[in-house]
Amino acid sequence: NAGVTQTPKFRVLKTGQSMTLLCAQDMNHEYMYWYRQDPGMGLRLIHYSVGEGTTAKGEVPDGYNVSRLKKQNFLLGLESAAPSQTSVYFCASRTTRNPASTDTQYFGPGTRLTVL
Amino acid sequence: AQSVTQLDSQVPVFEEAPVELRCNYSSSVSVYLFWYVQYPNQGLQLLLKYLSGSTLVKGINGFEAEFNKSQTSFHLRKPSVHISDTAEYFCAVSSLGGFQKLVFGTGTRLLVSP
Repeated sequence: NAGVTQTPKFRVLKTGQSMTLLCAQDMNHEYMYWYRQDPGMGLRLIHYSVGEGTTAKGEVPDGYNVSRLKKQNFLLGLESAAPSQTSVYFCASRTTRNPASTDTQYFGPGTRLTVL
Repeated sequence: AQSVTQLDSQVPVFEEAPVELRCNYSSSVSVYLFWYVQYPNQGLQLLLKYLSGSTLVKGINGFEAEFNKSQTSFHLRKPSVHISDTAEYFCAVSSLGGFQKLVFGTGTRLLVSP
């Protein structure tokens, strides 16, 4: 049981390039989330998904797109990267079916992205 | 809307000393409260959570937190810290139900020295 995994771990992009971050979870969780972590600002929600085929905007969605074609995967895309998107990106997932843990989000190890 | 304030950005402490990391929150509705820990170059791990019931919550690694509704606080404490407790600690709140948007504080870096 790997939990929540993220690919890649590190990436350097040039301004204007595109890329996709992959989040995968093997816990059959319904909810998945993408956050970004910036120094002195804590974590902020970018997008989230309440189930396969559904996505919704979070607190800071501009410049990002997401897709959830399969229940276990949640993709975060940057179509035209900007230096302001330099950050550490975390994915999380949550179940709604286990009463003992419906309130807990499980986080992946993060992807460190630098945009030059 | 909810907000979380962690007043201390960094807390230096000697090994085996007690520590308290402060967290205050603001919300117009009932909330769940969480403490997460982030070790260097790792993701976030749940330390403990308060949902309801006893206001004193015990978590992993000897940490505990007390929910104080009148002071809207959820301070984290440990009676004796270890070097391995060096990490960043995040307080977070979420409203009950819904998709559970977690609102995080800005984090407190705990630095434990020998």
